Amino acid sequence: AQKITQTQPGMFVQEKEAVTLDCTYDTSDPSYGLFWYKQPSSGEMIFLIYQGSYDQQNATEGRYSLNFQKARKSANLVISASQLGDSAMYFCAMREGRDSSYKLIFGSGTRLLVRP
Amino acid sequence: GAVVSQHPSRVICKSGTSVKIECRSLDFQATTMFWYRQFPKQSLMLMATSNEGSKATYEQGVEKDKFLINHASLTLSTLTVTSAHPEDSSFYICSASPGTMNTEAFFGQGTRLTVV
Repeated sequence: AQKITQTQPGMFVQEKEAVTLDCTYDTSDPSYGLFWYKQPSSGEMIFLIYQGSYDQQNATEGRYSLNFQKARKSANLVISASQLGDSAMYFCAMREGRDSSYKLIFGSGTRLLVRP
Repeated sequence: GAVVSQHPSRVICKSGTSVKIECRSLDFQATTMFWYRQFPKQSLMLMATSNEGSKATYEQGVEKDKFLINHASLTLSTLTVTSAHPEDSSFYICSASPGTMNTEAFFGQGTRLTVV
């Protein structure tokens, strides 16, 4: 079964607008972590934001915030004030606490294109 | 932040030859490293978990004799693609993390392998 689901293969946003990238996850482990990474065309993976399953507050990092709805098992990434440089692939990933290797499992990704 | 270095960034090889890719954690010790494969416009698929001093753990469907992994030290893991064929052409990327649940994984720059 898919553990991480990203239902938006591609998204457009106007420069300076906000955009929400969806991510839902599936786990029975009460301890888990959710991550968002950005992958520009160069291929590098850039860490954006982290949310732990026990965190009470939604994570924020600069223009990035995570809309964490635990009961719905969703962890949507919100990018505010989009910039042209935000055009990239965005991946949601999960790590389960019961897996002592701490491996990350990725969703299928969303390609974001910021229009000038 | 922590740095993971991957080498080479790009390699072209002939069918039937073997290719070795190195992944180094530069400023932390990594008992566990991960190897992913990414086809164009697709997600990162975990191939195997590389364990320092012991055998790698391969994901279902990944041929361990085809993709040899060695993790001889706390800072170096290698992936060798043996008897490469054109279908092995892909983007290979490694990651490591300092090893706590809520620490992001750091990724190498990736290796684009083309088998001709």
